[in-house]
Amino acid sequence: EIVLTQSPATLSLSPGERATLSCRASQTVSDYLAWYQQRPGQAPRLLIYGASNRATGIPARFSGSGSGTDFTLTISSLEPEDFAVYYCQHRNRWPPIFTFGPGTKVDI
Amino acid sequence: QEQLVESGGGVVQPGKSLRLSCAASGFTFSSGGMHWVRQAPGKGLEWVAVISDDGSTAFYTDSLKGRFTISRDNVKNTLFLEVDSLRVEDTALYYCARARYGSSFYEPDHWGQGTLVIVSS
Repeated sequence: EIVLTQSPATLSLSPGERATLSCRASQTVSDYLAWYQQRPGQAPRLLIYGASNRATGIPARFSGSGSGTDFTLTISSLEPEDFAVYYCQHRNRWPPIFTFGPGTKVDI
Repeated sequence: QEQLVESGGGVVQPGKSLRLSCAASGFTFSSGGMHWVRQAPGKGLEWVAVISDDGSTAFYTDSLKGRFTISRDNVKNTLFLEVDSLRVEDTALYYCARARYGSSFYEPDHWGQGTLVIVSS
């Protein structure tokens, strides 16, 4: 069973700063890695799939990178609406079992 | 406009069963897979299950296999989750979500607002 670890647990930044969030898998996961944003009181929103592909409608300031066991979500310049919790998620190739990481909270 | 609306949550006694529903509109429901994901109060996301576009194949997270059953009605554009032998630890907001277009088993890309299940005596 693959375990995802996210760091840091909390990231305290200011608008305009760059945010770098890490997701590490306990074993190689290829590029079946996605990132979600969840604002308080809202449903999650898919940001990145396939490790580096932005989902429809996601601003260019969000980017994903990495492969193997180490992945990164970067927000190039934080907007006020970006303060939220971010989850990485892995999909097993087959059977398609999904696992979420514990989340990173980005706050002011 | 794509919309997913969950219902069926509420306060339920431990040991009872519950069926959650998710009504889909604004997209071709029968063309894609569907997921259930849950979130306990103040906690992170936990993936529950996925079902193929035609309802013939489903997969579950190991820890919940046996008590949870995902199904769908493509005529009524509705997704279901049946939960048996409810436990206190099943208390959570249950989200339905559509699989990203292209495969029944891609990650969720469009989510409902959730239905809250509280298991308590």
